[in-house]
Amino acid sequence: EIVLTQSPATLSLSPGERATLSCRASQSVSSYLAWYQQKPGQAPRLLIYDASNRATGIPARFSGSGSGTDFTLTISSLEPEDFAVYYCQQRSNWPPEITFGQGTRLEIK
Amino acid sequence: QLQLQESGPGLVKPSETLSLTCTVSGGSISSSSYYWGWIRQPPGKGLEWIGSIYYSGSTYYNPSLKSRVTISVDTSKNQFSLKLSSVTAADTAVYYCARHSGGNSGDWFDPWGQGTLVTVSS
Repeated sequence: EIVLTQSPATLSLSPGERATLSCRASQSVSSYLAWYQQKPGQAPRLLIYDASNRATGIPARFSGSGSGTDFTLTISSLEPEDFAVYYCQQRSNWPPEITFGQGTRLEIK
Repeated sequence: QLQLQESGPGLVKPSETLSLTCTVSGGSISSSSYYWGWIRQPPGKGLEWIGSIYYSGSTYYNPSLKSRVTISVDTSKNQFSLKLSSVTAADTAVYYCARHSGGNSGDWFDPWGQGTLVTVSS
């Protein structure tokens, strides 16, 4: 099983600041990584797929990068609505399995 | 616009079988481009993939749940379903259904249903 480790567990920032969230895989996942945003009481929303592709309707302030084992989600300038929990997710080929990271909580400082 | 909606009992007794259905609207579940998946989230915790199904009936499951999970599809109703047997309190969670994209590149889930809370309790 490929384990995804997200850091930090909690990130405290102010609106307008830059957020950098990390996701590290226990073995290479190539560029097969997705990022989601989840707000309280809501379903997760896809932000990024294949490490760096923004999903439909996602603002340009969200960007993803990385390959292999180290990935980053960057929010260039935080808006009030960006404070939420963020998850990364990967698919391994064998055994075919999908796993999520434990999440990073982005909170208002 | 594709929408997914989970339905089923909100309370299940220990040792019984949890059964949920996801109804897809605004698109066909028989699209050759997608799988359809179930994901769950225990209260206050992270996300766990349960399994996914193709319209043809081909499935793959989370190895940790495989012995208790069955996912099926009914293309005539544009629905897919989850059965989880021998449930315990540890299976209490919000259960989501989602369209599962993947293939030659990575896999991702989009869109998601709103989720339904299932509590396991006597």
